[in-house]
Amino acid sequence: QKEVEQDPGPLSVPEGAIVSLNCTYSNSAFQYFMWYRQYSRKGPELLMYTYSSGNKEDGRFTAQVDKSSKYISLFIRDSQPSDSATYLCAMKNAGGTSYGKLTFGQGTILTVHP
Amino acid sequence: GAVVSQHPSWVICKSGTSVKIECRSLDFQATTMFWYRQFPKQSLMLMATSNEGSKATYEQGVEKDKFLINHASLTLSTLTVTSAHPEDSSFYICSAGTGTRFSYEQYFGPGTRLTVT
Repeated sequence: QKEVEQDPGPLSVPEGAIVSLNCTYSNSAFQYFMWYRQYSRKGPELLMYTYSSGNKEDGRFTAQVDKSSKYISLFIRDSQPSDSATYLCAMKNAGGTSYGKLTFGQGTILTVHP
Repeated sequence: GAVVSQHPSWVICKSGTSVKIECRSLDFQATTMFWYRQFPKQSLMLMATSNEGSKATYEQGVEKDKFLINHASLTLSTLTVTSAHPEDSSFYICSAGTGTRFSYEQYFGPGTRLTVT
């Protein structure tokens, strides 16, 4: 079983739709949770960075963490064609010498069509 | 701020040759740099972690003699793929980390596409 599971999609939605992206994890040591957006042939770009269970909002993006269920989500409101990309969830431990090491999900390919 | 660059962005080399990829943090000092490999439509796989002035820590299954990492300064790390073969063709991405244990972020470079013929 992979430490982080993410539905690879692909996911295709019309412009203006609400998009829900999800990841589950099995390692209780993960304490920090991130969502990255990656355009084709580019490096990942950090979208959201969360620590606590609950919601964190930034513009059209909302990150949700449920540590008790080991489940995180990213919601995109009023989706735009420019949101078309691969979305990667990533997680890391809180401490230890490897505290910077990220574990990524498989990535979800999202297409928003006009 | 927090820009990471990689050079070259795309390289084609012949089988058996070596290729060096540079990763630079342009506007901050990176305590740690990470090297990832990404195959088409797959996620990022961590290859190694390097701290300035010390030997890199390689992930299980990554050949340290094939993928040489040098972290010469707080702003520069290099990955050398030695005796490259077609199966080494991939997208290589570096990231630079900064901050403390409790407030730590990683910034990714734009990636280098390696094609071995």
